Amino acid sequence: DGGITQSPKYLFRKEGQNVTLSCEQNLNHDAMYWYRQDPGQGLRLIYYSQIVNDFQKGDIAEGYSVSREKKESFPLTVTSAQKNPTAFYLCASSIVAGGPHEQYFGPGTRLTVT
Amino acid sequence: AQSVSQHNHHVILSEAASLELGCNYSYGGTVNLFWYVQYPGQHLQLLLKYFSGDPLVKGIKGFEAEFIKSKFSFNLRKPSVQWSDTAEYFCAVNRGNSGYSTLTFGKGTMLLVSP
Repeated sequence: DGGITQSPKYLFRKEGQNVTLSCEQNLNHDAMYWYRQDPGQGLRLIYYSQIVNDFQKGDIAEGYSVSREKKESFPLTVTSAQKNPTAFYLCASSIVAGGPHEQYFGPGTRLTVT
Repeated sequence: AQSVSQHNHHVILSEAASLELGCNYSYGGTVNLFWYVQYPGQHLQLLLKYFSGDPLVKGIKGFEAEFIKSKFSFNLRKPSVQWSDTAEYFCAVNRGNSGYSTLTFGKGTMLLVSP
């Protein structure tokens, strides 16, 4: 089955530690995205990438970093500089060519930092 | 900056009631409009989308939405809700004709349908 995999589903970390969230897709999509979801805030864009080795900051990139070494993978690192890292993180992907397309979402990772 | 407003944060309905969830956006150019739904414990999934053409679009599970350009609105409707429609609903917008365009989401509407 094609889809987006995010692991783990739940992640717990101590304050001051960096943590990396995994996102893998086998949809052959060029573009990948990371969003953060907080209650009552909707989804906010952290980083996005159209091609390998290229990515752009979204609206709330501070305290986060990403890499795109492979088309299928777009890991997100939540650094100790992120002031409020506890949230639900969603990865998405989309086709790029041929006009507008919807984004497909993974199941998410719930990160708790104490 | 582009913004998306969803009018109701929480909606409570009884089964068989009609539903309309409001969505307004601020961008005046070419837009693509989406409604996504997040059922409890499930992935965010697409309900319906509008890119061009007929402004009345039909989606999955009996949902529909109407794009009214003059009002910058894309309201979601369902004539008769079911208990299984309990979920959080998000309106989202992106711009232009490219497949590589970031989505701006509204803050979501939590719908609770009582049996």
